[in-house]
Amino acid sequence: GAVVSQHPSRVICKSGTSVKIECRSLDFQATTMFWYRQFPKKSLMLMATSNEGSKATYEQGVEKDKFLINHASLTLSTLTVTSAHPEDSSFYICSARDFLYSGNTIYFGEGSWLTVV
Amino acid sequence: SQQGEEDPQALSIQEGENATMNCSYKTSINNLQWYRQNSGRGLVHLILIRSNEREKHSGRLRVTLDTSKKSSSLLITASRAADTASYFCATEFSGYSTLTFGKGTMLLVSP
Repeated sequence: GAVVSQHPSRVICKSGTSVKIECRSLDFQATTMFWYRQFPKKSLMLMATSNEGSKATYEQGVEKDKFLINHASLTLSTLTVTSAHPEDSSFYICSARDFLYSGNTIYFGEGSWLTVV
Repeated sequence: SQQGEEDPQALSIQEGENATMNCSYKTSINNLQWYRQNSGRGLVHLILIRSNEREKHSGRLRVTLDTSKKSSSLLITASRAADTASYFCATEFSGYSTLTFGKGTMLLVSP
């Protein structure tokens, strides 16, 4: 079945640095990918919708200059957390929609734990 | 956001028992989906039910949808310790392409 891969699964970075998280659809083309953030024992909050070849659509309250999203190809979207601060520490999950083979099913990556120290 | 609500927030049962989780949402939907998440991991898609469907089965899972009450339920029969996880409902609203997640139910199945 469709697989979405996220990398890295865990990353620790220093305050003020930037960190990039990759989301790849491994066996299907994803024109649309989604980035979520999840705090411990909480639900997923949509951050932005990433569209291949165009600018991402950010949810209200999400800083687009801080969370840079690039969807340069049909199989790869990246989320870059710029000038990271400890409050950015969280679990980030991407998902991708497979229109061709499974209709509305959205597949999720394994998530990336970001710790900012 | 149009976040749904699940209840209970936490559910603790013994192996072999059935587990029922409920989800309510606020507006019309195109479909409702249930996901499972093991601690610290990604989400696994369990089942999708469309707005014109009332019930769907998949193995030990049974999902119902009542659009008049804007609610859904997930029943896991003959639960196993391996079913221990958080379960989320997510709705896709007509005209939208994103999923909006409920707050989730943490299920603990004790051996």
